[in-house]
Amino acid sequence: GAVVSQHPSWVICKSGTSVKIECRSLDFQATTMFWYRQFPKQSLMLMATSNEGSKATYEQGVEKDKFLINHASLTLSTLTVTSAHPEDSSFYICSARVPGGGPDTQYFGPGTRLTVL
Amino acid sequence: DAKTTQPNSMESNEEEPVHLPCNHSTISGTDYIHWYRQLPSQGPEYVIHGLTSNVNNRMASLAIAEDRKSSTLILHRATLRDAAVYYCILRDEANFGNEKLTFGTGTRLTIIP
Repeated sequence: GAVVSQHPSWVICKSGTSVKIECRSLDFQATTMFWYRQFPKQSLMLMATSNEGSKATYEQGVEKDKFLINHASLTLSTLTVTSAHPEDSSFYICSARVPGGGPDTQYFGPGTRLTVL
Repeated sequence: DAKTTQPNSMESNEEEPVHLPCNHSTISGTDYIHWYRQLPSQGPEYVIHGLTSNVNNRMASLAIAEDRKSSTLILHRATLRDAAVYYCILRDEANFGNEKLTFGTGTRLTIIP
């Protein structure tokens, strides 16, 4: 099946700094990608929908100025956590679907574990 | 999308079949039943989906009740690598173009060697 990668797989940063997470579709083009966040022992929560060439659509309660999303190409979306704080420590996961494919063609990245000290 | 209810956790012995239940009493006629699983420290992966008829693929089988108010994911012969959180998700056919998924709490499956 298709592959979605994320980079980095883990990152530790100091409070107040910004962190960029990349999500790439390696062998297909994705006009839409999704960003999820998962706290320990909890389920995935959708943060935003990333649309190539346009602004992201954020879920209710997600601060768009804090979680900047850029979908600059059909294979790359980035999530930047600005001025990170310890409460932003979480597992961030992206997903994308092969265009025109069925439900079995939605692929998730391996996740990025962010720890803010 | 309609809500699903799953047990928080289940245990099974290695090399035995596992039946993971999901209740979805408010399912509508156009809701498809999807199962995803999330291995430890990884992103979710698709397992199987169905509408009315039972479905089989290389990973699992999906048994859907006649009234569609419940379903069961069947792992025929569990291995240690099947230890994961299994999510049962309903998706309206009309929303297939909207790829975002709403995850519930899922069932944490533990496999006992």
